[in-house]
Amino acid sequence: EAQVTQNPRYLITVTGKKLTVTCSQNMNHEYMSWYRQDPGLGLRQIYYSMNVEVTDKGDVPEGYKVSRKEKRNFPLILESPSPNQTSLYFCASSLRELSGEGGYTFGSGTRLTVV
Amino acid sequence: DQQVKQNSPSLSVQEGRISILNCDYTNSMFDYFLWYKKYPAEGPTFLISISSIKDKNEDGRFTVFLNKSAKHLSLHIVPSQPGDSAVYFCAAFNTDKLIFGTGTRLQVFP
Repeated sequence: EAQVTQNPRYLITVTGKKLTVTCSQNMNHEYMSWYRQDPGLGLRQIYYSMNVEVTDKGDVPEGYKVSRKEKRNFPLILESPSPNQTSLYFCASSLRELSGEGGYTFGSGTRLTVV
Repeated sequence: DQQVKQNSPSLSVQEGRISILNCDYTNSMFDYFLWYKKYPAEGPTFLISISSIKDKNEDGRFTVFLNKSAKHLSLHIVPSQPGDSAVYFCAAFNTDKLIFGTGTRLQVFP
């Protein structure tokens, strides 16, 4: 089954403790992206990657890091999480040429709480 | 600066009637406009899109209209069904970036 898999689904952590949220896709998509969803703010892009070893900042990159060493994986790293990073996170992937036509596939989300 | 805006946070419609969800944007360079649907505890799923060179696209019960001069698009669902109850996100695409609106929660009641 074609899918984007995020782990974990739920995570509670303490301020300052480094964490990684993993994202993996099995569709050989070039494009991958991370979004966060917050009440009243919709989905905001954190980082995106157009291919292996190519990453770029989205609209809200502060406090996050990403890497794209392999095509299928795009982990989101929070080096020193803070309470304002409490949010619902989504990973998405797409074939580059279908991105504008709605070819994004989203993962099921990771709900992160930083206390 | 919110480039894609959905000014109605919620909408309630009776089953069988038309649902109209609205979206405004500010950047005239967007190439595509899309609607995504999101159920609780799931990721958004693609619903329908429209190219900036068109003014209408239809897929079954779903029709998207684009008014470029007004920088406005709308999603029409006819007839509305209880299973359509979800949060709907409008999104716009330009140069590898997909920008989302804040979402409208649609509730379809019997």
